[in-house]
Amino acid sequence: GAGVSQSPSNKVTEKGKDVELRCDPISGHTALYWYRQSLGQGLEFLIYFQGNSAPDKSGLPSDRFSAERTGGSVSTLTIQRTQQEDSAVYLCASTPGGTLLYEQYFGPGTRLTVT
Amino acid sequence: AQKVTQAQTEISVVEKEDVTLDCVYETRDTTYYLFWYKQPPSGELVFLIRRNSFDEQNEISGRYSWNFQKSTSSFNFTITASQVVDSAVYFCALSRREGNQFYFGTGTSLTVIP
Repeated sequence: GAGVSQSPSNKVTEKGKDVELRCDPISGHTALYWYRQSLGQGLEFLIYFQGNSAPDKSGLPSDRFSAERTGGSVSTLTIQRTQQEDSAVYLCASTPGGTLLYEQYFGPGTRLTVT
Repeated sequence: AQKVTQAQTEISVVEKEDVTLDCVYETRDTTYYLFWYKQPPSGELVFLIRRNSFDEQNEISGRYSWNFQKSTSSFNFTITASQVVDSAVYFCALSRREGNQFYFGTGTSLTVIP
């Protein structure tokens, strides 16, 4: 079946512009995560959605970052007024929930470059 | 606070050698989960294993084995008879019971030389 998809795969933007990154989780997966992976670093947790519950936004690095998940499916991560330090690969993962809540399936990521 | 440390940044081995990737974690939780993920050159992370904090039994899956020791807060990963296809970046991670946050190490880049 289809895995987690993310778009665009690459995004180059100028400093100060806003960007939107999209994640399509696996159908039926209830939980969705966003991570940021900087060069040579591990994955940095950004935000977590679980069903209809309020999202866990504790990992968002600043108020320039926000995310939505519409209809419990597609999610959009928005970065406003991008800075060069925002350059990274942004990964999305989804999990089936229930007893499989912890088994994350990752998308290919969006490579964001801020010039 | 939760933290995962993978002290080995890069490892190179010759094909068929055994290799162990170290993972040390910090948490004050009594219930938590530990994971290993593989990120091949193609980029997508692949789930390898999950262990919960109450199960210290070692696990073997083919050429892969995992050693979980709560006494040393370690969750090490051994690849036996390594192959070129094992070349990847391997991440160790910890999750709290609620599963809302995962804490990843910085990864170990493994290169298997033919």
